[in-house]
Amino acid sequence: NAGVTQTPKFQVLKTGQSMTLQCAQDMNHNSMYWYRQDPGMGLRLIYYSASEGTTDKGEVPNGYNVSRLNKREFSLRLESAAPSQTSVYFCASSERVTGEQYFGPGTRLTVT
Amino acid sequence: GQQLNQSPQSMFIQEGEDVSMNCTSSSIFNTWLWYKQDPGEGPVLLIALYKAGELTSNGRLTAQFGITRKDSFLNISASIPSDVGIYFCAGQLPRNGSGNTGKLIFGQGTTLQVKP
Repeated sequence: NAGVTQTPKFQVLKTGQSMTLQCAQDMNHNSMYWYRQDPGMGLRLIYYSASEGTTDKGEVPNGYNVSRLNKREFSLRLESAAPSQTSVYFCASSERVTGEQYFGPGTRLTVT
Repeated sequence: GQQLNQSPQSMFIQEGEDVSMNCTSSSIFNTWLWYKQDPGEGPVLLIALYKAGELTSNGRLTAQFGITRKDSFLNISASIPSDVGIYFCAGQLPRNGSGNTGKLIFGQGTTLQVKP
């Protein structure tokens, strides 16, 4: 089992460009999450999907959109990237929303 | 919003020493999780705690769920160089009618460096 996979691993964008971060899990988990990690800020929840067909905002949703494509896949879209979105983005999944979360390897995004 | 206070922020210790770190909050949590993050990698789950007072070990790691449900600690015994990394606590809020969905709140991390 690969667990949680994320693509791409690195990305550089210019301000105003758009992109989609992809995440997939092979653990048959119901819930999936997107976090961003900034120095000294820990992990902050952007959006989550408690189950297929549902999505909800987390702590820092502004400037992002998500799509739960199916049970396995959960994507994060930046419509118009800003330098403040320079961060490391992690996807995670859990069997249920109150369960232990397992993380992917991260996407390192730089917006210039 | 809810916050977790994790301390210490960083530690620099000699190989073989024991390490202790903790997380406290003003909120009550149903679950405490401890993660380790190596440089350039995602967090990896070390220990999960589900009941107040629970003490759980995983090799040289021991963690406890505080009786008040507002704190947790992690101990590492006889540290080795591969223990280097950032350790995060995470508390899971109870689900209730006020809209808490059981999502995780993360501490800011403890950076551990081990001198051989």
